[in-house]
Amino acid sequence: KAGVTQTPRYLIKTRGQQVTLSCSPISGHRSVSWYQQTPGQGLQFLFEYFSETQRNKGNFPGRFSGRQFSNSRSEMNVSTLELGDSALYLCASSWDSYAGNTIYFGEGSWLTVV
Amino acid sequence: AQSVTQLDSQVPVFEEAPVELRCNYSSSVSVYLFWYVQYPNQGLQLLLKYLSGSTLVKGINGFEAEFNKSQTSFHLRKPSVHISDTAEYFCAVSDYAGGTSYGKLTFGQGTILTVHP
Repeated sequence: KAGVTQTPRYLIKTRGQQVTLSCSPISGHRSVSWYQQTPGQGLQFLFEYFSETQRNKGNFPGRFSGRQFSNSRSEMNVSTLELGDSALYLCASSWDSYAGNTIYFGEGSWLTVV
Repeated sequence: AQSVTQLDSQVPVFEEAPVELRCNYSSSVSVYLFWYVQYPNQGLQLLLKYLSGSTLVKGINGFEAEFNKSQTSFHLRKPSVHISDTAEYFCAVSDYAGGTSYGKLTFGQGTILTVHP
């Protein structure tokens, strides 16, 4: 079956702009989470959505937001982009939020802020 | 709060040699443990996970890991590596207080494994 699909794969934005990234989870998965990966900070948890509700949030400023739709697809938005937001953004999905479930990752969206 | 420490940022090894990638964790609650691999320009792929039971866990591609509760370690091993194992490897934990982690994995900083011919 199809894996976690993220679009776009690559994008370049200018400082101060906003960006929206999209994620389609594996069919049947209801939990979608987002991670930021940078060389300096590594992999950091942004937030998690389940049944259209944000249930967990990492330590990121309010410029980072997300949402989940009724079909479990998710988007994340970053407003007022800063150079430091340049990163690989990974979406992941899981059947539910049970801690032992496997979390499946997409290939990510590479964001470059110039 | 939990944290994960991968003790080696880079591990070079020759093809067909054994390898061990080290991972230590700390947590005030019980955790589940995972190893993921990331090939260049790709997302993360699960190698194996420890939930309970036997402390020796076998995963894909010939990898295995051993959970040591007293040393709070979860080291990854492979008896004979291939060129294709060249990648970055991440150790991760999720706490299961109440059974749910709400999608959050805490990752180590990663270990780059380079296999030389």
